[in-house]
Amino acid sequence: AQSVTQLDSHVSVSEGTPVLLRCNYSSSYSPSLFWYVQHPNKGLQLLLKYTSAATLVKGINGFEAEFKKSETSFHLTKPSAHMSDAAEYFCVVRFTGTASKLTFGTGTRLQVTL
Amino acid sequence: DTGVSQNPRHKITKRGQNVTFRCDPISEHNRLYWYRQTLGQGPEFLTYFQNEAQLEKSRLLSDRFSAERPKGSFSTLEIQRTEQGDSAMYLCASKPQGGKATEAFFGQGTRLTVV
Repeated sequence: AQSVTQLDSHVSVSEGTPVLLRCNYSSSYSPSLFWYVQHPNKGLQLLLKYTSAATLVKGINGFEAEFKKSETSFHLTKPSAHMSDAAEYFCVVRFTGTASKLTFGTGTRLQVTL
Repeated sequence: DTGVSQNPRHKITKRGQNVTFRCDPISEHNRLYWYRQTLGQGPEFLTYFQNEAQLEKSRLLSDRFSAERPKGSFSTLEIQRTEQGDSAMYLCASKPQGGKATEAFFGQGTRLTVV
């Protein structure tokens, strides 16, 4: 079965410390992988995407994600959290042969404290 | 603003009433998607258009739901005889023709509350 799992529903970090949001997927084929962010009262915004060109993907606002096929993971990281990073983050997968529809994880709420 | 536009942003309706939402995609995008997001969950796929053709519908889309994209531009999503379980954020996204890694752009959504 094809699925995407975000391992943490809530992550809290202090400002200036690293961020790690975990995502695993299950698929028989290589999917396309994305991370989207959703701020309150704003639309979903693409942070980064994996296109098979490079396993380490750099996105906006200092975020990165590494595709590890052997672990079927696509974890999102940032070296130093900022207060403005507080939001809901979604790991999103586009599985092969699914007419380009997106399958979202359940989301991880990132809290950044002073 | 050249992004995806959704109207209305908020809708409160009484149970049993019909509601209709509109989505205006980015003009050159031929693919349009509707998703539903309930509280504490990620968005779930409802339906998909390529130009004016509705090519896929999720099993989440009951007979009370209907979506159209008559001229391959804007789209409407209608819910008939609304139920409290229909309360959710309804999101529209569009993308151009392209590979599977092509980005989809989302609107801000329509939040439906059924009372």
